[in-house]
Amino acid sequence: SAVISQKPSRDICQRGTSLTIQCQVDSQVTMMFWYRQQPGQSLTLIATANQGSEATYESGFVIDKFPISRPNLTFSTLTVSNMSPEDSSIYLCSVEGGVKGATDTQYFGPGTRLTVL
Amino acid sequence: QQQVKQSPQSLIVQKGGISIINCAYENTAFDYFPWYQQFPGKGPALLIAIRPDVSEKKEGRFTISFNKSAKQFSLHIMDSQPGDSATYFCAATNTGNQFYFGTGTSLTVIP
Repeated sequence: SAVISQKPSRDICQRGTSLTIQCQVDSQVTMMFWYRQQPGQSLTLIATANQGSEATYESGFVIDKFPISRPNLTFSTLTVSNMSPEDSSIYLCSVEGGVKGATDTQYFGPGTRLTVL
Repeated sequence: QQQVKQSPQSLIVQKGGISIINCAYENTAFDYFPWYQQFPGKGPALLIAIRPDVSEKKEGRFTISFNKSAKQFSLHIMDSQPGDSATYFCAATNTGNQFYFGTGTSLTVIP
């Protein structure tokens, strides 16, 4: 399985500011995913990030609010822009692993706990 | 529309008991059903997974039971231990598509 790290692990931010979360994987992966997990809730997919193409956003999430970069096969960033207290959440990066072309599981990073005041 | 429905929301079990968490799905195209375990402050970690060509998969104290006709699958934790106290998520997907997660079950194992 892939080893995934995220930075920062947690942050407390002021309303109206932006935070960029980094995700680093120890192996090359085609697809990377960004999820949001609000307190006590399930995981909600924000977007899928493929290297060399624009990220694909799920309903309810837009690029202006959550811009994503995917400069290479081992790294991605998610920016939470113009933050409000409603953005307080855990943000998780994940990748698919296993045999290419098969249905593979997703492996998750440790998450970034964001609190917006 | 919730693609995967999970129950119960919370569960309290005595040490040594059996913990059972249930999930149901609607999309018959789903072909991969993983369970994730999440401890506070950590990301979800893959625990065990099953594909629909088998009805049961066992790994140590953890067993997935899969009922294709009923479109249900469940996680059984045998001889539950306090260290199993965590939140468990079921999920479902089909090849190359989005993972759909259940709403999670908070398990507490009492010593």
